[in-house]
Amino acid sequence: EPEVTQTPSHQVTQMGQEVILRCVPISNHLYFYWYRQILGQKVEFLVSFYNNEISEKSEIFDDQFSVERPDGSNFTLKIRSTKLEDSAMYFCASRELGTPNEAFFGQGTRLTVV
Amino acid sequence: AQTVTQSQPEMSVQEAETVTLSCTYDTSESNYYLFWYKQPPSRQMILVIRQEAYKQQNATENRFSVNFQKAAKSFSLKISDSQLGDTAMYFCAFIGGNTPLVFGKGTRLSVIA
Repeated sequence: EPEVTQTPSHQVTQMGQEVILRCVPISNHLYFYWYRQILGQKVEFLVSFYNNEISEKSEIFDDQFSVERPDGSNFTLKIRSTKLEDSAMYFCASRELGTPNEAFFGQGTRLTVV
Repeated sequence: AQTVTQSQPEMSVQEAETVTLSCTYDTSESNYYLFWYKQPPSRQMILVIRQEAYKQQNATENRFSVNFQKAAKSFSLKISDSQLGDTAMYFCAFIGGNTPLVFGKGTRLSVIA
């Protein structure tokens, strides 16, 4: 069964460093998302991506964040200068064209900023 | 804007018993999906069950079923014959139109032996 895969599963980084979280969406999906979940809190929407551009973003998604689809398969989230409060679980999701439709989630990347 | 509300931050149930988790939502969309996701301690997000708004019949998946009340904008999850492995956070979620998936704050369910 097709699935969304995320790498790495856990990343530890020093405050101020740049991190790139990687996702491989399901191959025929056209909408891509990043969500964040700080420990013990709700799952928060960060950004959606369609047709090679950001279609929607939340207030959390400030200038420190960027997304990219560098090739036909990967979808990345970059945090330029990490802060302690960026420590969270980051989930990538994708879905097919056609609204509405189910979003499939990756297993998440646990980011720890120290 | 769509909102999803889970009014029960924590619940507990005895093993083998039945428990119902509540969820209400608000939307102006006429066509949408509703979901329940399970998040065990591993923090992976696992889809439990989904409901398409245009379907009147309530979705069921083995021990999991929903009570979808479209007019009331209510979407509760019933877990029958609760098992220890059901212990997890449960998130209700909504997707409609081209909007991103919106989550409720979650309900922490503990199944007690």
